[in-house]
Parts: sequence; structure tokens; C-alpha cells
Amino acid sequence: EPEVTQTPSHQVTQMGQEVILRCVPISNHLYFYWYRQILGQKVEFLVSFYNNEISEKSEIFDDQFSVERPDGSNFTLKIRSTKLEDSAMYFCASSTDFPLVEDGYTFGSGTRLTVV
Amino acid sequence: DAKTTQPTSMDCAEGRAANLPCNHSTISGNEYVYWYRQIHSQGPQYIIHGLKNNETNEMASLIITEDRKSSTLILPHATLRDTAVYYCIVRPQGAQKLVFGQGTRLTINP
Repeated sequence: EPEVTQTPSHQVTQMGQEVILRCVPISNHLYFYWYRQILGQKVEFLVSFYNNEISEKSEIFDDQFSVERPDGSNFTLKIRSTKLEDSAMYFCASSTDFPLVEDGYTFGSGTRLTVV
Repeated sequence: DAKTTQPTSMDCAEGRAANLPCNHSTISGNEYVYWYRQIHSQGPQYIIHGLKNNETNEMASLIITEDRKSSTLILPHATLRDTAVYYCIVRPQGAQKLVFGQGTRLTINP
């Protein structure tokens, strides 16, 4: 079964440092997403990406965040200057044409980001 | 904000059917009902979705009331591996994001 692959599984970074989280979406999917989940809290939408541009973003996704699809297979989330409150589990997801998809989104297993 | 209401937690015996309710009284005509689950800290996993007809797949059945104001996810023969947080999500046609609530923490007991 096709998977969304995320690396690394755990990233520790110092406050103020830049971090890049990487994702390989399912190959025939067209829409790509990032979500985050702070420990003990809800899963929150960050951004969606289609046709090489951001199609929707949440209030959380401020100027410190950026996304890129650098080579046609990877999809990355960059946090420019990390803050303690950026510590969370970050999930990448991808999907085919929406909304009448038969199997909805497929999520990756996540990257746990710890900012110290 | 999530437009659904779910019980915070439920228990079910292994081998029995687990019935998870969800209220979505403000659902509109172009909104689909999706169910996802999250096992421990893994990524959410798609289970099933529907518009107004009942749906069944290899994982579960989805029963949507005629007025579409509520639905029930049924896991027909629950196993210990079904212990997870289950999310009922209403998603408008054309919407990209999924809005997660707190979900129902389902515990399957041996």
C-alpha cells in the first residue's frame, strides 16, 4: 500500500535555528498538506499546496513557515527561526483530486520536533 | 472550529461491535462526513466517508441518519488494535483542509 514518508522521525533543534521537515508524498497525488499536533492537543491544519503554490493556509502558518516542492517528489516544511512553542508532531499528508476521493487523505507517520 | 460533537471516551469488549456516535446537526447539503482514527501518536488514518447513504468498506460501516444530523461508525468485530482516537469530521465539497475536533478515545478491552 502506498505510503507518505516523513523524515526525520524526531528532530531536536535549538531555539532560533532553522529546521526543514521532509516528506515524500504518494507519487500520483496532487495535493499536499502539513498539519501539526502539539502534545495532548488537536491535530491542526497548517497549509495545503497544489500546482506548485500554496492554495490555503491557516493563521498558524505565518512568515516563519514556508513550504516547497523542490524536485517533484519531496515536499518540505521550513521553520525559519524556531520557537519553543513550535515543538509538536508535524504530519505531512497527500491526496488525489478532491473532494470526491475514495480514500481521502493519506497521512505520514509524523516528525516529532522538539525545540530546546 | 470542528462542527461535530463526539463522546470523549468509550469502551468496548474485544470481539464485539464498537458503535461510535457523532452529531453534526448543522451539516449542510454539500458536506461529507469523514471518519479518521489516530493510533497513539501516529498520523491520522482514513477509515470511511459518506454523503447521505450508508457506506461499508473492509474497515467499518458508516450509518448516516436520514436527516444527516448524526452518524455512527461501526467497527463490527473490534480488536485490541482498534484502540485509538476516532475523529468524525464534516468536510465541505471543495474544501482542502480537515478540521479535527477532540475525537472519541475508544478503548478495546480484552
